[in-house]
Amino acid sequence: ETGVTQSPTHLIKTRGQQVTLRCSSQSGHNTVSWYQQALGQGPQFIFQYYREEENGRGNFPPRFSGLQFPNYSSELNVNALELDDSALYLCASSLGWGGEQYFGPGTRLTVT
Amino acid sequence: DQQVKQNSPSLSVQEGRISILNCDYTNSMFDYFLWYKKYPAEGPTFLISISSIKDKNEDGRFTVFLNKSAKHLSLHIVPSQPGDSAVYFCAASTRTQGGSEKLVFGKGTKLTVNP
Repeated sequence: ETGVTQSPTHLIKTRGQQVTLRCSSQSGHNTVSWYQQALGQGPQFIFQYYREEENGRGNFPPRFSGLQFPNYSSELNVNALELDDSALYLCASSLGWGGEQYFGPGTRLTVT
Repeated sequence: DQQVKQNSPSLSVQEGRISILNCDYTNSMFDYFLWYKKYPAEGPTFLISISSIKDKNEDGRFTVFLNKSAKHLSLHIVPSQPGDSAVYFCAASTRTQGGSEKLVFGKGTKLTVNP
């Protein structure tokens, strides 16, 4: 059974640029959630995708957007990057909306 | 506003003794509560959970206690082992307006178990 994988591991971007982060779900999981973990904080819910549709969103602006593909892999896109977007971005997959969430290792994004 | 609070940033215990990690919450609508463990360079790993209708759940060395009147939960690890050294996150589950489940996390407590 393959766990949740994320790419890239690390990324450095400049303020104003756009970034795409990728996540492959655990085998058999159809739901993906994205979280942002700033330094010294706990993960914060960004949004969740179920069967290719966003079905829940946290307090993040529209420049945070996502996609889920037919194979249930997912992307997180962030436009117009700001310095405060520097964080660890975690992806979690689950079976269904309320299933136990399995986290990937995260992508460390640094915005300069 | 921080709905889930872990007021101790760090905790140090001796191997073989009990570790007690605490968590407070403010939202009475949380469905259930979870504890995650996180090692450096890895994602959080689910440890144990408890439904809001129960007051205790046990799994091997790990026990979670829920006090709904005090809006407080705690994780007990007995006996503590050096491999338990990690950051522990308390999380609470609730529903978004769209119906999806979201987890609300505390800031974490770094546990160090000394040999």
